[in-house]
Amino acid sequence: DAKTTQPNSMESNEEEPVHLPCNHSTISGTDYIHWYRQLPSQGPEYVIHGLTSNVNNRMASLAIAEDRKSSTLILHRATLRDAAVYYCILSKSGGGADGLTFGKGTHLIIQP
Amino acid sequence: SQTIHQWPATLVQPVGSPLSLECTVEGTSNPNLYWYRQAAGRGLQLLFYSVGIGQISSEVPQNLSASRPQDRQFILSSKKLLLSDSGFYLCAWSDLPGYVYEQYFGPGTRLTVT
Repeated sequence: DAKTTQPNSMESNEEEPVHLPCNHSTISGTDYIHWYRQLPSQGPEYVIHGLTSNVNNRMASLAIAEDRKSSTLILHRATLRDAAVYYCILSKSGGGADGLTFGKGTHLIIQP
Repeated sequence: SQTIHQWPATLVQPVGSPLSLECTVEGTSNPNLYWYRQAAGRGLQLLFYSVGIGQISSEVPQNLSASRPQDRQFILSSKKLLLSDSGFYLCAWSDLPGYVYEQYFGPGTRLTVT
């Protein structure tokens, strides 16, 4: 499986935008990029996914580099409730039933 | 709407004792089902996944086993727990068989083996 690299932790202030980077230099042409987040003592929660084009939803935006070797999750206006571990994950080529491979993620700290 | 349940929420078991964790999904049919474990301070590790009744795939060899006796029921078991089995166990489901899928996670079971 192609792997992802994320910073261990990041810190941001409340009500400011947050840009969470992810490197995936060995991504294959059919791998989708997924982002999940995990709040303390809870299961992970889907945030967003994309393939080539930038994506927006009510939670966040996903900016994908033109060569697809990196991507950035953008939280437009962070709140204290956004403090969580954020995981950048590549789905296996072809999708299917296989589970997701979670790395260590980025621990996002939000300062009031 | 779909919901996923796990129980118990917390469990403390002695080394060598058996284990049974249950996961059920409501509001969908023929889902993919998954068991993950998260050891303290570490990422999630996929343990088992299932695409249908009686069909189990194991990702990591260990003293745990999984079963799917009904379409929306997934059970994680052990005959003899080890200290290293402590962790946060999460069940998840996704729709078949889509090329892109979201996984929906349950609330988890925190297991402490003493």
